[in-house]
Amino acid sequence: DAKTTQPTSMDCAEGRAANLPCNHSTISGNEYVYWYRQIHSQGPQYIIHGLKNNETNEMASLIITEDRKSSTLILPHATLRDTAVYYCIVRVNSNQFYFGTGTSLTVIP
Amino acid sequence: DAGITQSPRHKVTETGTPVTLRCHQTENHRYMYWYRQDPGHGLRLIHYSYGVKDTDKGEVSDGYSVSRSKTEDFLLTLESATSSQTSVYFCAINGLAGVADTQYFGPGTRLTVL
Repeated sequence: DAKTTQPTSMDCAEGRAANLPCNHSTISGNEYVYWYRQIHSQGPQYIIHGLKNNETNEMASLIITEDRKSSTLILPHATLRDTAVYYCIVRVNSNQFYFGTGTSLTVIP
Repeated sequence: DAGITQSPRHKVTETGTPVTLRCHQTENHRYMYWYRQDPGHGLRLIHYSYGVKDTDKGEVSDGYSVSRSKTEDFLLTLESATSSQTSVYFCAINGLAGVADTQYFGPGTRLTVL
């Protein structure tokens, strides 16, 4: 089963780009990579997902390596409200997402 | 807002008592999920449903049962609550983000078993 590995915690200065890495070396060819975040005990919030190509939306950008074994979520201009736990997720099977423990991002003023 | 509500939002109960948590959705989605979240474990899947009366077990299903008698409601029952079931419980539904399925979460229920 595809699983993910993320650093436990990271800091980022306010206004700077936050780059959150994720390893998913066992991902299958047709599995999407998803990113969610969770702000202080609220329900996890969907951010972005991708398969092979880099993706961008109003919240973030997702860079996936060519071999698909790793990806990076980029928050281009981090704000204090981006302080959260960020989860990199792959689908275990058609019905289950593996969340892991995520990266706790702290944006510093 | 994915139209998901959970009730109750907070509950304190005693060991050995039955507890039922409710997840309600207004989006008519087929798939619904129950997760628990504990420090150091992230979110772990308890049970999920792929239709009315169709359910299956997840990673940590022992001690839990579920029921889905109508599309909009997915119930999680702890038949005899234990202190190890103290946790935050999240319900989720499957939705579409572009061409891929993704999951949208409710606000959570904080359960304390004394």
